[in-house]
Amino acid sequence: GENVEQHPSTLSVQEGDSAVIKCTYSDSASNYFPWYKQELGKGPQLIIDIRSNVGEKKDQRIAVTLNKTAKHFSLHITETQPEDSAVYFCAASLNSGGYQKVTFGTGTKLQVIP
Amino acid sequence: GAGVSQTPSNKVTEKGKYVELRCDPISGHTALYWYRQSLGQGPEFLIYFQGTGAADDSGLPNDRFFAVRPEGSVSTLKIQRTERGDSAVYLCASSLRQGGDYGYTFGSGTRLTVV
Repeated sequence: GENVEQHPSTLSVQEGDSAVIKCTYSDSASNYFPWYKQELGKGPQLIIDIRSNVGEKKDQRIAVTLNKTAKHFSLHITETQPEDSAVYFCAASLNSGGYQKVTFGTGTKLQVIP
Repeated sequence: GAGVSQTPSNKVTEKGKYVELRCDPISGHTALYWYRQSLGQGPEFLIYFQGTGAADDSGLPNDRFFAVRPEGSVSTLKIQRTERGDSAVYLCASSLRQGGDYGYTFGSGTRLTVV
């Protein structure tokens, strides 16, 4: 099955700086890569996603990049704010038996220091 | 409803007891998923429903775990003879389509503690 690795496990940045989270996946058939933000006591919330036919996608202060050849994808957050503090999960999705099966990374705890 | 609703939000049970966890997905979402999240880990897949049927239950850890979705909406995850190792947050998610690349909408989860 698919295996998703995520680094770093924790990340502290000063407010206003950028944060980068990196993931790798194992199955070249994966074709959809969502990113989720999880705040304490809540379920993961989808913040951005990218499809395998796209190399980069941006939404305001967040951007994702995908390198299919290397099976790497990354989340970039610019101008970080204290409310960005949360746990972030990358995920890889592939078609399995007619549906998209999603495998999550182990998470990155981001702390933005005011 | 406006979002995915899970009840109860917290459940403490004694080892060996039976528990039921409920998920009420977004209205109209035909796909429903259960995940389990242990402390400091990402969500791990348990089971996927398309409509009323369990299309993929390969993530259920053993036969003590079972889930149903009799009318294609609300789902119940059932755990028999609970063990301390079952303690985790159980997350439910729904999506609009069976396949495709639509992201999930997760509920806030049920935190299960087996003592």
